[in-house]
Amino acid sequence: QKEVEQNSGPLSVPEGAIASLNCTYSDRVSQSFFWYRQYSGKSPELIMSIYSNGDKEDGRFTAQLNKASQYVSLLIRDSQPSDSATYLCAVKTRYGNKLVFGAGTILRVKS
Amino acid sequence: DVKVTQSSRYLVKRTGEKVFLECVQDMDHENMFWYRQDPGLGLRLIYFSYDVKMKEKGDIPEGYSVSREKKERFSLILESASTNQTSMYLCASSLMDGYQETQYFGPGTRLLVL
Repeated sequence: QKEVEQNSGPLSVPEGAIASLNCTYSDRVSQSFFWYRQYSGKSPELIMSIYSNGDKEDGRFTAQLNKASQYVSLLIRDSQPSDSATYLCAVKTRYGNKLVFGAGTILRVKS
Repeated sequence: DVKVTQSSRYLVKRTGEKVFLECVQDMDHENMFWYRQDPGLGLRLIYFSYDVKMKEKGDIPEGYSVSREKKERFSLILESASTNQTSMYLCASSLMDGYQETQYFGPGTRLLVL
């Protein structure tokens, strides 16, 4: 079992719809969870971080964390073509400063 | 804003060459990281450092070494480049900030080994 798993996609949504990206992790005592966006040929940039169970909202983005079920999700409301990218889920494990990344989900927003 | 820079955006090297990839951050971060990114495999940690002259192996250190002589600079060295080291190399840095530590990435170096 991979430590951090994401559906590779591509996930296709129409412009204006809600895009829902999911991530599961194996280390039950993980504390920190991050979503990065990566455009083709570019480096990852941080979108959201979440540390407590529940929802955290930032503009059109909402991160959701459920530690009991060991999943974290990212919702993008009013999706725009500029949101088309690969979204990486990252989890900080109990082992020091390491982040473990999922392989990423490709999102395509069609206008 | 955090700024992480990498010495080259693109590099072409020959098998057996010694390759140096440089990373510099300007935010006085303690932690620095080197990853490689390959299609379908995501980001994999090669080495990281949490202080000057300190280094820790990541998940795939074989064939690589690192150097951190100054806090702001972290170098990745491919001792004898091989074709399977063709990849995108990403440097990141972060503050030592407990579980809320956030990593910031440089622009990446795309390395082709022929």
